[in-house]
Amino acid sequence: GAGVSQSPSNKVTEKGKDVELRCDPISGHTALYWYRQSLGQGLEFLIYFQGNSAPDKSGLPSDRFSAERTGGSVSTLTIQRTQQEDSAVYLCASSQQGGNTIYFGEGSWLTVV
Amino acid sequence: GENVEQHPSTLSVQEGDSAVIKCTYSDSASNYFPWYKQELGKGPQLIIDIRSNVGEKKDQRIAVTLNKTAKHFSLHITETQPEDSAVYFCAASRYNTDKLIFGTGTRLQVFP
Repeated sequence: GAGVSQSPSNKVTEKGKDVELRCDPISGHTALYWYRQSLGQGLEFLIYFQGNSAPDKSGLPSDRFSAERTGGSVSTLTIQRTQQEDSAVYLCASSQQGGNTIYFGEGSWLTVV
Repeated sequence: GENVEQHPSTLSVQEGDSAVIKCTYSDSASNYFPWYKQELGKGPQLIIDIRSNVGEKKDQRIAVTLNKTAKHFSLHITETQPEDSAVYFCAASRYNTDKLIFGTGTRLQVFP
């Protein structure tokens, strides 16, 4: 079946604008994660959804960042009033419940100009 | 919270040689340790993982070792090939929570 799907693959936006990044996890996966990867850097945890539990938002860098997951499937990461330091690749991943393998999408490359 | 350190940040080897990447972690409750390979412009892909009830796991040219007492784990690639060139990330998590904390990555270059 299909892997984790993310859109858009590339997004250029002006500083101060809001952006939405979409993630469609692998069908049947109850866990969904967002990570951020700045150029040449490691993967920074942002937020984690697991089934109907309250999401773990401990990695969100500021209140400009938010994410939701509707119907236990598709997730949207929203960045309000974008800043240049928000430029990065935003990676989504999903896994089955219970600590199984985590699969990543190809990422959404965000550039704030 | 968990902190994962990874060394070296860059590694260059001749084709056919072995490559070793090492990671240490801080949370003694962590018990799942995957390794991911990331090629340019792509998302990370799992190449091997190990759980805390084993000390070593091997898959063809790739092996991972875990020392829970010392809180470190290593990736070993034997008979390296140019297509092994990529960035490799280690990670750690508590099994039940699934949140992976990643190391800072190792850029491996294999020269023909």
